[in-house]
Amino acid sequence: GAGVSQSPSNKVTEKGKDVELRCDPISGHTALYWYRQSLGQGLEFLIYFQGNSAPDKSGLPSDRFSAERTGGSVSTLTIQRTQQEDSAVYLCASTFAGMNTEAFFGQGTRLTVV
Amino acid sequence: QKEVEQDPGPLSVPEGAIVSLNCTYSNSAFQYFMWYRQYSRKGPELLMYTYSSGNKEDGRFTAQVDKSSKYISLFIRDSQPSDSATYLCAMIAGNTNAGKSTFGDGTTLTVKP
Repeated sequence: GAGVSQSPSNKVTEKGKDVELRCDPISGHTALYWYRQSLGQGLEFLIYFQGNSAPDKSGLPSDRFSAERTGGSVSTLTIQRTQQEDSAVYLCASTFAGMNTEAFFGQGTRLTVV
Repeated sequence: QKEVEQDPGPLSVPEGAIVSLNCTYSNSAFQYFMWYRQYSRKGPELLMYTYSSGNKEDGRFTAQVDKSSKYISLFIRDSQPSDSATYLCAMIAGNTNAGKSTFGDGTTLTVKP
């Protein structure tokens, strides 16, 4: 597609349930990032994939959070046993390797844990 | 203390006003300075970027970087209601991918007609 695509746009889940969020990056972009944006807050880095290298998981807040990137393209962020504090907008971004001036963001998935 | 501090706002201005959005930072290694605009329920989009110190102008927008003071600004002239959005500053050091930028918390701007 023309841009970074995320699905679903909105997700309401019950506390304790697992959720999967999907990101389809721009074709040809080798770097993919997940961020969390809580209300009125900036972007909190979660995880970074670059090509076939081991992902940088340094931003994952707990072991309930995990992510995969299959075939160097689509990525899935999984949150297990969701908690109310997980409620936020989850943003995905992709870039070319070595691009240091712009990250291209999807529209985000708004997660609400009730 | 955060590496990047952004004036929190929110800001509300009348149409046609000049708007100043500001960030300070502590990491002297930052070399690329970006401003992203985020409309409600959308992802951030790059508005402008500047390398090192200096000014950069694009239409009604001017980005300023003062590395000696570790201070950056975005000026919006003749502000329009369509400029109403959250503005995020972002910074990155050297040869680092833009996705690893350090972001400010954002300033929400409302321009009233």
